[in-house]
Amino acid sequence: KNEVEQSPQNLTAQEGEFITINCSYSVGISALHWLQQHPGGGIVSLFMLSSGKKKHGRLIATINIQEKHSSLHITASHPRDSAVYICAVRTPPGSSNTGKLIFGQGTTLQVKP
Amino acid sequence: DTAVSQTPKYLVTQMGNDKSIKCEQNLGHDTMYWYKQDSKKFLKIMFSYNNKELIINETVPNRFSPKSPDKAHLNLHINSLELGDSAVYFCASSSLAGGLGQYFGAGTRLSVL
Repeated sequence: KNEVEQSPQNLTAQEGEFITINCSYSVGISALHWLQQHPGGGIVSLFMLSSGKKKHGRLIATINIQEKHSSLHITASHPRDSAVYICAVRTPPGSSNTGKLIFGQGTTLQVKP
Repeated sequence: DTAVSQTPKYLVTQMGNDKSIKCEQNLGHDTMYWYKQDSKKFLKIMFSYNNKELIINETVPNRFSPKSPDKAHLNLHINSLELGDSAVYFCASSSLAGGLGQYFGAGTRLSVL
C-alpha cells in the first residue's frame, strides 16, 4: 500500500461541476503539495499547505492533519482543468536534509464541455 | 525566462550507451531534485542536492550519478543505459526561504531501445 493514496484515480465531469479529489497519507509530514500535470507533461505546483485551507482562483485545498487527509476542490470546472492532479507529502526534515516528497499515484481528471 | 530548464526534452538512445540530462534553475534556489516518472505516471524522488551537497539519495542504481557544479545546476549522468531506464525525468528546485514550494522543469522523456 502506498504511503500516499488518492481517490478517485479517474474522474470525468461536465463543465461547471464542482470537483473534489481526495488524498490520504500514512506518514508524518511537514507539508502537503498539490501538483497539476497537463497532457503535455509539464508539472505545476498548485498549493503547498501544512494546515487549514488555501484558495487560488477556482481551486481550494484543505488539509486535516489529525485525520491525515487533504482535499482539492475545483469550482465551476472547465475543460482546461483537464489534467492529472498529484498529491505529494513532504516528510519532516532530517538532520541532514530538508525532507523528501512522496507522491500519490495521481488523479486523472477530464472535464467535458 | 524559464525558471527550471532541462535539456534535452527528448532522448532516444540504445541500450548500453551513456547519456546526460542537464538542469538549470535561475530562481536562486538552494535545493534541486531529480524525479523519475514511470510509465504508470508515478513520480519518485531519486536525488536531492542542497548547495551542491547531496542530501537525499534514494535506492537508485549506481549507474545514475548526479553532479552539481554549482547550486544553479544539477545534471544527471546515466551509464550503461537499460530498457527499464525509459521514463520521464523531472528536475525541480526549491528553497527553504520559499517554504520549499517546488518548481519543476518540463521533463526529459528518455527512451532506451
